[in-house]
Amino acid sequence: DAKTTQPTSMDCAEGRAANLPCNHSTISGNEYVYWYRQIHSQGPQYIIHGLKNNETNEMASLIITEDRKSSTLILPHATLRDTAVYYCIVNLSSNTGKLIFGQGTTLQVKP
Amino acid sequence: DGGITQSPKYLFRKEGQNVTLSCEQNLNHDAMYWYRQDPGQGLRLIYYSQIVNDFQKGDIAEGYSVSREKKESFPLTVTSAQKNPTAFYLCASSNPPGQYYNSPLHFGNGTRLTVT
Repeated sequence: DAKTTQPTSMDCAEGRAANLPCNHSTISGNEYVYWYRQIHSQGPQYIIHGLKNNETNEMASLIITEDRKSSTLILPHATLRDTAVYYCIVNLSSNTGKLIFGQGTTLQVKP
Repeated sequence: DGGITQSPKYLFRKEGQNVTLSCEQNLNHDAMYWYRQDPGQGLRLIYYSQIVNDFQKGDIAEGYSVSREKKESFPLTVTSAQKNPTAFYLCASSNPPGQYYNSPLHFGNGTRLTVT
């Protein structure tokens, strides 16, 4: 599975958009990009995933570059409850569950 | 509501004792997984099961055992052979790959095990 690189931590003002980057330069053609987040002392929560096209759901948007070597998770209007560790993972869809969770990005949303 | 229930939330044991962590799901998922998380670290896969009565070792299976007698349940036993059992244990489930393409993982809220 491809390795991902994320910043260790980021801050965002409440109500502003939070843009979380992820580099995955060794991603292969059939690997998807998944995003999960983990609020302190809870289980991770699935956010969104994509292959090539940009994706949007009720939680976030995922922007994947044309060469697929990086992506950005966008929380359009961050709230204090969005403070969490955000994990970017690339994985074959056939390997669901065998996800490699790195250390992620700790997002701190500030009032 | 459908979900995954892990119990208890906190568990304390003496060194040398086996302990079993419970995981129950009512999402009708075929696949279930156990992960371990240490402070400041990502998750590491212990065991997974794609179907009842079948399971496979993950990356760190030594010192652990599982059973999958029912679709809804996937208990994890931390044996005395596990050298560093104190950790946060997370159970997850999903529809298996191939049947439901790209089915995401659904996690429970974990059991924090402390062994002294």
